[in-house]
Amino acid sequence: DAGITQSPRHKVTETGTPVTLRCHQTENHRYMYWYRQDPGHGLRLIHYSYGVKDTDKGEVSDGYSVSRSKTEDFLLTLESATSSQTSVYFCASSSGGAGADTQYFGPGTRLTVL
Amino acid sequence: LAKTTQPISMDSYEGQEVNITCSHNNIATNDYITWYQQFPSQGPRFIIQGYKTKVTNEVASLFIPADRKSSTLSLPRVSLSDTAVYYCLTNGGATNKLIFGTGTLLAVQP
Repeated sequence: DAGITQSPRHKVTETGTPVTLRCHQTENHRYMYWYRQDPGHGLRLIHYSYGVKDTDKGEVSDGYSVSRSKTEDFLLTLESATSSQTSVYFCASSSGGAGADTQYFGPGTRLTVL
Repeated sequence: LAKTTQPISMDSYEGQEVNITCSHNNIATNDYITWYQQFPSQGPRFIIQGYKTKVTNEVASLFIPADRKSSTLSLPRVSLSDTAVYYCLTNGGATNKLIFGTGTLLAVQP
């Protein structure tokens, strides 16, 4: 499996506080993705990156921002967390984009917003 | 956005062949169809990918009809360890339109 890690693995925070989740990959993959997974919705794309400093929105990007200053790191920020952002967040990476290349997923971060 | 539809759940017994079908009516010309497997508390893991006709690897087969509006994942002789959620994925022709369906929970019983 591709070397992809996420930190923290679990986080509990309060409404209105900023939260940053980190994704780190060691495969030198060009593309990186952030998804959220909620019961009844499967995985939904939040943002993705197609290179350093190059990002684009996914299906559910409102309330989230991302940054990619290095190939190996992709950060997801909730500027002011809300209870609706309680979810499990998965990061993924792939060498190519769209759906043609295998995505390798991290172990997930469980975020609870009280 | 491209949308995929799968059965919510399926039951099977060890040793049986299982077929899970995914509907993707809005698939774009350049879309691939990819299937992932997910165990509890883990990220999804790639199973198989195809563009048309049939693809087979060491764990599964993927059947895609000529119109490509659906695909069927076939798992031969399932075991208890195949109990998981299975997702099909297309991308509607663009990376920002990657859509996972809600997945199919496959429960394999002894």
